[in-house]
Amino acid sequence: EAGVTQFPSHSVIEKGQTVTLRCDPISGHDNLYWYRRVMGKEIKFLLHFVKESKQDESGMPNNRFLAERTGGTYSTLKVQPAELEDSGVYFCASRRDGHTEAFFGQGTRLTVV
Amino acid sequence: LAKTTQPISMDSYEGQEVNITCSHNNIATNDYITWYQQFPSQGPRFIIQGYKTKVTNEVASLFIPADRKSSTLSLPRVSLSDTAVYYCLVGDNYNFNKFYFGSGTKLNVKP
Repeated sequence: EAGVTQFPSHSVIEKGQTVTLRCDPISGHDNLYWYRRVMGKEIKFLLHFVKESKQDESGMPNNRFLAERTGGTYSTLKVQPAELEDSGVYFCASRRDGHTEAFFGQGTRLTVV
Repeated sequence: LAKTTQPISMDSYEGQEVNITCSHNNIATNDYITWYQQFPSQGPRFIIQGYKTKVTNEVASLFIPADRKSSTLSLPRVSLSDTAVYYCLVGDNYNFNKFYFGSGTKLNVKP
């Protein structure tokens, strides 16, 4: 079984540009989560999808961040326009309904310069 | 959101048993305790989960006292490859979005 896959693994963009991160969850996992760790801080929750619906987006920092999960499969997280403080590692995790274990991807390291 | 407190770092030697304790004084009745392991440049990986008393799997044991205000992750006979950050998470079993990662414990295993 393939794990959670995130693309790209690294991204370097200039302030003001747009970046889109992608997450492919494990097949059959309805729950998909985005987390991030900004420099020197802790891993923090961003939002939670159940299939294609946003269950909880209380962790999204501001309206420059837009997450989608069309069709309830893969998800994208777009940052537009990117700011310096958006630099960090963005993790995606998925979980099968009725199961307690969440599986994380390897993360996307975003650097805004 | 139940917060946790763990030691920032620990050192150990290969072959030793390592115990990492986590404090979670405001744990709720429905909360479970889950431990994740994270290697550099990777996402966190599930190790073990429990509600009370003791849980054991092929990689670790988890000890939870009766008041559930703390828990101890026990790694038997660690090796160099166990060098990683270990996170103690407390939360409703199925509301994973409510988990608070904290700073984790950086375990450094020496030869």
